[in-house]
Amino acid sequence: KAGVTQTPRYLIKTRGQQVTLSCSPISGHRSVSWYQQTPGQGLQFLFEYFSETQRNKGNFPGRFSGRQFSNSRSEMNVSTLELGDSALYLCASSLLPSSSTPFFGPGTRLTVL
Amino acid sequence: QQQVKQSPQSLIVQKGGIPIINCAYENTAFDYFPWYQQFPGKGPALLIAIRPDVSEKKEGRFTISFNKSAKQFSLHIMDSQPGDSATYFCAARDPSNYQLIWGAGTKLIIKP
Repeated sequence: KAGVTQTPRYLIKTRGQQVTLSCSPISGHRSVSWYQQTPGQGLQFLFEYFSETQRNKGNFPGRFSGRQFSNSRSEMNVSTLELGDSALYLCASSLLPSSSTPFFGPGTRLTVL
Repeated sequence: QQQVKQSPQSLIVQKGGIPIINCAYENTAFDYFPWYQQFPGKGPALLIAIRPDVSEKKEGRFTISFNKSAKQFSLHIMDSQPGDSATYFCAARDPSNYQLIWGAGTKLIIKP
């Protein structure tokens, strides 16, 4: 069974631009969560989607948004990029929402210049 | 504020040594404590986990020690190998919303 896939793997943007990241969950998994990983900060929860509905949201500004499609694939969008948005963005999938054992993808490394 | 404090930030150990990574939490309601291992270019993967009614859990060379009264838990790696070099994250689950609260991570290097 294929794991969680994320595209693109690397991205370079400039301040003020917007970016869309994509995540395909493990086949059969209907819950997708997004995390921001930065050195020294660990993983910060962004949001979780299940059955195309946002179930939980972390403490991030409204510039960060997401959505989930009927095939469980998910996208995350960041508008008006700031230098501090440079990070590894991780997607995790699970069968059910609020899982204690999410399966993570390899992440998208976003660099904002 | 709910936090999980992880230490040290980085650790270098000789092959065969026993690295120990520590985590402390504040919320006594937390009910599940996993450790994740992350290799460069990969996402974190579940390594081992423990519930607060158990004081120790072993899986192969990896052991979690849990001290409920001190609100601390730690990961020990026996007979460490260079292949164990990775970043390790502890986490704790908040049962009110089932969210995992993550530690900041420990970068472990095992020298051959």
